[in-house]
Amino acid sequence: SQQGEEDPQALSIQEGENATMNCSYKTSINNLQWYRQNSGRGLVHLILIRSNEREKHSGRLRVTLDTSKKSSSLLITASRAADTASYFCATDARSYNTDKLIFGTGTRLQVFP
Amino acid sequence: DVKVTQSSRYLVKRTGEKVFLECVQDMDHENMFWYRQDPGLGLRLIYFSYDVKMKEKGDIPEGYSVSREKKERFSLILESASTNQTSMYLCASRKQSTDTQYFGPGTRLTVL
Repeated sequence: SQQGEEDPQALSIQEGENATMNCSYKTSINNLQWYRQNSGRGLVHLILIRSNEREKHSGRLRVTLDTSKKSSSLLITASRAADTASYFCATDARSYNTDKLIFGTGTRLQVFP
Repeated sequence: DVKVTQSSRYLVKRTGEKVFLECVQDMDHENMFWYRQDPGLGLRLIYFSYDVKMKEKGDIPEGYSVSREKKERFSLILESASTNQTSMYLCASRKQSTDTQYFGPGTRLTVL
């Protein structure tokens, strides 16, 4: 399977705590993206990190990328109840000579007020 | 603001029925995608389209077909719905040669 995997599958924390989600993938990539999905809704793009970048920030989000380990992490700092959602990593599949994204299986984050 | 709409949020059909799922984007994007999402399996690509009248099979095209007659509209067709096609269907669009996909709200299809 080309699919990536997120770890953990589910995470429960209190408001104000930090949440860390990890993603592993299988092929070489040009970039990796993180998306968020609120319950029963479509996905929303959060952040993109390119293969030549090691870390990227956007507001309370921090993404790291380790291409040697084929892994990425998403850190949400000072979490809020509104951050409750599922989070997916997605890698481009250009190493397969195709122009599609490969999504991981997602991490369900629950933030308790 | 970017907008992708899907024709129905919830749909219930019977086995053997022909089902049309419509997706419309207002961003003049060239690329459009159909995924299905199932618990524990993440998003799986069914079909995608680089531009009008073009289509490519994704990872799980069996039992589905698509139509892209106009740039803004990408339709997913279940010729004869089966219970194993009960799922959440997500449409997305993307501007050619960029990376970010924009998703619709999804259609939860139940086949009885």
